[in-house]
Amino acid sequence: GAVVSQHPSRVICKSGTSVKIECRSLDFQATTMFWYRQFPKQSLMLMATSNEGSKATYEQGVEKDKFLINHASLTLSTLTVTSAHPEDSSFYICSAGDRVYGYTFGSGTRLTVV
Amino acid sequence: GIQVEQSPPDLILQEGANSTLRCNFSDSVNNLQWFHQNPWGQLINLFYIPSGTKQNGRLSATTVATERYSLLYISSSQTTDSGVYFCAVGWSGSEKLVFGKGTKLTVNP
Repeated sequence: GAVVSQHPSRVICKSGTSVKIECRSLDFQATTMFWYRQFPKQSLMLMATSNEGSKATYEQGVEKDKFLINHASLTLSTLTVTSAHPEDSSFYICSAGDRVYGYTFGSGTRLTVV
Repeated sequence: GIQVEQSPPDLILQEGANSTLRCNFSDSVNNLQWFHQNPWGQLINLFYIPSGTKQNGRLSATTVATERYSLLYISSSQTTDSGVYFCAVGWSGSEKLVFGKGTKLTVNP
């Protein structure tokens, strides 16, 4: 079945620094990938849709300059949290797939900004 | 936008009991998936079920698209079934998934 790999699984960074999270589709090509954010004890909220070779589409209320998305190849999308602050601490999850067979999720990245 | 409601929000069972989780959605969908999120945060895809019935071991799911609901059945529950179960739906013309708020299941030994 489809496998999505996400790295790192956990990261702690200092306030003001930037953090890059990678999402790879291991056994299929993904022209579209999705980035979600999950706060403790809450559901997943879609942040943006990552499109290979073009700009990402951000959901309402998500700062595109804060959360930079790059989808440079058919198997890799990256999310960079720029100038991170404690309120950016969260669980970030990527997914890929399609409407026909369904979507698979990465294992998530727990970001802590200190 | 489409609304997804899951019930119950919390469920506590004794090992061996059966349970039914429900997902209601407010509009027509062409994608519905059930996920189990384990304590480490990993989302495990249980079923892709926009309509019909599927079974996988002790788990089964039924979606009645015309009535806009889906049910997830867990039989002979085990402690390893504990976690949060999410229902997520997609609709025609969009690649997006909208998640319900989840059902937190606790199975006690």
